[in-house]
Amino acid sequence: SQQGEEDPQALSIQEGENATMNCSYKTSINNLQWYRQNSGRGLVHLILIRSNEREKHSGRLRVTLDTSKKSSSLLITASRAADTASYFCATDGSRLTFGEGTQLTVNP
Amino acid sequence: DVKVTQSSRYLVKRTGEKVFLECVQDMDHENMFWYRQDPGLGLRLIYFSYDVKMKEKGDIPEGYSVSREKKERFSLILESASTNQTSMYLCASSSRGKGAETQYFGPGTRLLVL
Repeated sequence: SQQGEEDPQALSIQEGENATMNCSYKTSINNLQWYRQNSGRGLVHLILIRSNEREKHSGRLRVTLDTSKKSSSLLITASRAADTASYFCATDGSRLTFGEGTQLTVNP
Repeated sequence: DVKVTQSSRYLVKRTGEKVFLECVQDMDHENMFWYRQDPGLGLRLIYFSYDVKMKEKGDIPEGYSVSREKKERFSLILESASTNQTSMYLCASSSRGKGAETQYFGPGTRLLVL
């Protein structure tokens, strides 16, 4: 059962620009997580935001959560070429459910 | 740091072969998971385990089985590999306590079934 859906599917920006990715989900959640995956590798946990939180920061990452709209966004500020990766949101339920990801390309 | 290792990065097998994918974690995590990842389909949960000798079917268990004889090791078994099982396989683990929601992933095994 696929719950989280990321948007856009692909995003290409220049180094130094900000990147914004969105995630929508369908049912109530306890928390929402964002993960990153470099090409051909496993996923790495970035940040978790709980349902009673509206915004959370971690370094250059800013995550927002709007439970009324069942959506979240991940903002990466001052992007770097090394941020090139796929980004996934994951919602809890009886277990984590991942979206299909946003492929971010940061051009030097 | 949590470390999840998978036995192979790349694997090539023939149709009908029995395939074992091994996953080991070193953080004493209770929960372990097997996913497959395919373009356009995202990550799909195959099987998971919340304890030794315990297993639960995920969303796509058909054609797969698992084994968890020790807490740190979770094996995925393809009894008779088929070409539609060509995929990237990802293992993950998580704790039962605080922070249980966060999963730690291995590097993945890219399996090609000919």
